[in-house]
Amino acid sequence: DVKVTQSSRYLVKRTGEKVFLECVQDMDHENMFWYRQDPGLGLRLIYFSYDVKMKEKGDIPEGYSVSREKKERFSLILESASTNQTSMYLCASSLGGGADTEAFFGQGTRLTVV
Amino acid sequence: AQKVTQAQTEISVVEKEDVTLDCVYETRDTTYYLFWYKQPPSGELVFLIRRNSFDEQNEISGRYSWNFQKSTSSFNFTITASQVVDSAVYFCALRSSNFNKFYFGSGTKLNVKP
Repeated sequence: DVKVTQSSRYLVKRTGEKVFLECVQDMDHENMFWYRQDPGLGLRLIYFSYDVKMKEKGDIPEGYSVSREKKERFSLILESASTNQTSMYLCASSLGGGADTEAFFGQGTRLTVV
Repeated sequence: AQKVTQAQTEISVVEKEDVTLDCVYETRDTTYYLFWYKQPPSGELVFLIRRNSFDEQNEISGRYSWNFQKSTSSFNFTITASQVVDSAVYFCALRSSNFNKFYFGSGTKLNVKP
């Protein structure tokens, strides 16, 4: 069974902390994504990676960075967490090269910054 | 520019009613892919269907059916004889063959009451 696994389901962090959200996929997918989900706003792309060490900014990259040192792992980093980063974070992966295929999602991490 | 609009924020129906979720998309690409996902209260996005831009055939899968119309840039989703288990947030998404990103609508929350 194919899987995208996010390291935490729920996380509570303090303002100013450096926060790492980890995501691992076992499908050998080229593409990996980090989305943020907020009520009424749907899923907004934070960062996207199409290969190891390659990344592209999405629609809302401010306050975030990412790391992809291995093909299967994509990390989202909040350099200095703020309360407006309280949200649900979703990781996804897909085949690359414009392939006709869907994205596979992890179970989500609900982050609360206090 | 790629854009997906789901104008219905929330819909409430009584069990056994039919319900249609609307999705309108914008793209300048000739080859693209459309998707529907279901997000139950547990949070994980579940893939429902994928359609490419060259295949306008409607699809039926059990109680679910999808109507793809390029002339109106719409990809609507109908649930026949709704059930309480259909209660979820439903997302429509677009992916261009030229880009690897998935663009999501803001989602429609469906409440099916017994």
